[in-house]
Amino acid sequence: AQSVSQHNHHVILSEAASLELGCNYSYGGTVNLFWYVQYPGQHLQLLLKYFSGDPLVKGIKGFEAEFIKSKFSFNLRKPSVQWSDTAEYFCAVNRPNFGNEKLTFGTGTRLTIIP
Amino acid sequence: GAVVSQHPSRVICKSGTSVKIECRSLDFQATTMFWYRQFPKQSLMLMATSNEGSKATYEQGVEKDKFLINHASLTLSTLTVTSAHPEDSSFYICSAREDRTNQETQYFGPGTRLLVL
Repeated sequence: AQSVSQHNHHVILSEAASLELGCNYSYGGTVNLFWYVQYPGQHLQLLLKYFSGDPLVKGIKGFEAEFIKSKFSFNLRKPSVQWSDTAEYFCAVNRPNFGNEKLTFGTGTRLTIIP
Repeated sequence: GAVVSQHPSRVICKSGTSVKIECRSLDFQATTMFWYRQFPKQSLMLMATSNEGSKATYEQGVEKDKFLINHASLTLSTLTVTSAHPEDSSFYICSAREDRTNQETQYFGPGTRLLVL
């Protein structure tokens, strides 16, 4: 079965620290990869996505993610976080070649930024 | 950008009643919409895939007779929780995939918080 793992459940950082959130998925084959963010009291918003091409993907608000196929990983990074980055972050995967547009989400990582 | 709305944003109902939740794509057409359920401090769990003009596809373990889905137009899908019980209390979120771009990106609604007393 398809699964997405986010090993960091809660990350606490000070402002200006660098961020890396892990995301691993469980199977081979072609995948589409997504990172979504959910700010407190708000709906899910797309941060960035990877379909093909350059494995280093840049998203909104200074976030980027790198797809490493050999490691089945799609980690999210930001060089210098801000207090406003406090939110819940979800990695998600779907399998386009199987006609499967269903997204499978990781369990999420809560990020708390201390001013 | 693509905007998805949900109505109502929150609803409180008595046990045994039915509740309808609407999901609308405001500025794009969406043949396919998705319904998720999110428990507190947990991830989103896909309940069903809603297809305009055809029957919804339900995930394993989701009762189709309890969670009725109707996707009557390219901009509207509804989820009806029938004979709701306290264990149905949850946060229900819909998403829509934009037909035009076919980029397989889902845009999410703000969610509906359901509390069944």
